[in-house]
Amino acid sequence: NAGVTQTPKFQVLKTGQSMTLQCAQDMNHNSMYWYRQDPGMGLRLIYYSASEGTTDKGEVPNGYNVSRLNKREFSLRLESAAPSQTSVYFCASSESGVGYEQYFGPGTRLTVT
Amino acid sequence: TQLLEQSPQFLSIQEGENLTVYCNSSSVFSSLQWYRQEPGEGPVLLVTVVTGGEVKKLKRLTFQFGDARKDSSLHITAAQPGDTGLYLCAGGRGSNYKLTFGKGTLLTVNP
Repeated sequence: NAGVTQTPKFQVLKTGQSMTLQCAQDMNHNSMYWYRQDPGMGLRLIYYSASEGTTDKGEVPNGYNVSRLNKREFSLRLESAAPSQTSVYFCASSESGVGYEQYFGPGTRLTVT
Repeated sequence: TQLLEQSPQFLSIQEGENLTVYCNSSSVFSSLQWYRQEPGEGPVLLVTVVTGGEVKKLKRLTFQFGDARKDSSLHITAAQPGDTGLYLCAGGRGSNYKLTFGKGTLLTVNP
């Protein structure tokens, strides 16, 4: 099992460009999450999907959109990238109700110039 | 509002020393997890505690959940350079699928 996979691993964008971060999990988990991690700020939840067909805003949703494509895949889209979105992005999944344990992907390091 | 406070924020020790890091809150959590994150990688789950007063051991790591389920500690015995990393605590509440993460303790174990 690959667990949680993310693509790409690194990306550089110019201000105003758009891109989609891809995430897939092979653990048959119901819930999936997108976080950003910045120095001194910890992990902050952007959006989450409690189950297939549902998505909800997290702590810092502005400037992002998400799509729960199916049970395995959860994508994060930046429509018009801004330098403030420079960060490391992590996708995670969990099996609902089992102590809320989350399993993380390796991350995408995004730089917006 | 930072619901989970971790201390210390940074810790640098010599190989063989013991250490304890703390995770505190004024809120009650249904479960609490500890993760370790190494540079360039995602957090990896170490343990989950769900019962007040619960103690779990993972080799040289001992995790404790406070009796009131508001705090937790991680104790490492005889630290090794391989223990170096960012330790994160995270709490879950009720039927909410979301976790609340602390900002982490960055541990460096020097040979």
